[in-house]
Amino acid sequence: AQSVTQLDSQVPVFEEAPVELRCNYSSSVSVYLFWYVQYPNQGLQLLLKYLSGSTLVKGINGFEAEFNKSQTSFHLRKPSVHISDTAEYFCAVSEVTGGFKTIFGAGTRLFVKA
Amino acid sequence: SQTIHQWPATLVQPVGSPLSLECTVEGTSNPNLYWYRQAAGRGLQLLFYSVGIGQISSEVPQNLSASRPQDRQFILSSKKLLLSDSGFYLCAWEKGSASYNEQFFGPGTRLTVL
Repeated sequence: AQSVTQLDSQVPVFEEAPVELRCNYSSSVSVYLFWYVQYPNQGLQLLLKYLSGSTLVKGINGFEAEFNKSQTSFHLRKPSVHISDTAEYFCAVSEVTGGFKTIFGAGTRLFVKA
Repeated sequence: SQTIHQWPATLVQPVGSPLSLECTVEGTSNPNLYWYRQAAGRGLQLLFYSVGIGQISSEVPQNLSASRPQDRQFILSSKKLLLSDSGFYLCAWEKGSASYNEQFFGPGTRLTVL
């Protein structure tokens, strides 16, 4: 069975600084990988996804993530954050042959300071 | 386009009272449906999923149950709420025929059990 570890529970960063949110996964088969964002008191929205092909995936709001199979990682990056990026970010993994389960990480709270 | 609704948005209930949360999806047919719970400061816990009418799979033994009386309706219930049932409940759907598991989330219901 697959698992996901988000290595940082909270990441404070100043506005316009770069940020990286780390995600590692474990699986014995091929996987699909996702990053979701959750603004306060709302549901989750998909930021980006890796299904196959290019390991660098670009998403909405200027975010991108890189799939590294050898390190089993899928870190999320943004070169310059805004106050409005303050939210909770969830990494998720779904096994290609795994049926109906997507496993979510515990989340990383990104706090952007002025 | 597809939309997902949840109600109520917020709910305050006494311990021992019953619960019924509803989720409906529009604009798609035969979706896979999910109920998650998000406790304060924690990630998403998968509670139930359904691949069709009347088909419910439970992930965690607990005080809750789920039903799917119609193709696009998913209900979360309890006969007697516990304090530990407090949390943010999220419903999600995905295409039943999809080869990857991108999920679309509703706005959530915040449940407080007193």
